Amino acid sequence: NSKVIQTPRYLVKGQGQKAKMRCIPEKGHPVVFWYQQNKNNEFKFLINFQNQEVLQQIDMTEKRFSAECPSNSPCSLEIQSSEAGDSALYLCASSLTGNTLYFGEGSRLIVV
Amino acid sequence: GDSVTQTEGQVALSEEDFLTIHCNYSASGYPALFWYVQYPGEGPQFLFRASRDKEKGSSRGFEATYNKEATSFHLQKASVQESDSAVYYCALNYGGSGNKLIFGTGTLLSVKP
Repeated sequence: NSKVIQTPRYLVKGQGQKAKMRCIPEKGHPVVFWYQQNKNNEFKFLINFQNQEVLQQIDMTEKRFSAECPSNSPCSLEIQSSEAGDSALYLCASSLTGNTLYFGEGSRLIVV
Repeated sequence: GDSVTQTEGQVALSEEDFLTIHCNYSASGYPALFWYVQYPGEGPQFLFRASRDKEKGSSRGFEATYNKEATSFHLQKASVQESDSAVYYCALNYGGSGNKLIFGTGTLLSVKP
């Protein structure tokens, strides 16, 4: 059973709407990654954090996606204006050192 | 850039068959290698990893050996069960908080009772 908690499990949004997903990393894990998994099961790295600091993020993330990992609060990933191509499974993973990643069950976004 | 190749997109077996899923990698450095398993409706679960040449990783009856010369990390299991049906991903990273995990394309394993 996953110790990384992601909510909601499913969300349905219209095009142009905001979509927000949350992640509680495994206790004691300072490193958090967000991935997007598409319908072809391909994984795309979006952003990662160590504690509250962004380490890396891709260009797409910089434009319509925003993410944060505030102290003492869940991490979050928000899509400002959803597009059909954003429909995917969004996976949060945490790690103690960044070596082995432990994933949550994901938040499945459907953009209609 | 670095990449992971899984030869088989799908594997269909019967219970108690021997399983091999091939994984080869291309990397500029000396990465750690991983196997993850993903069941329907769930996120990927870490199976095991290996960090050095000739190191064997194993878990739940699955195993793989890091082969630096052949750049391979093939997954094997002696006797599969129906409950092993899932998608299996080979992956690599260099470790450290800033280094992302690079996944292969996945192999769907279907096991008939």
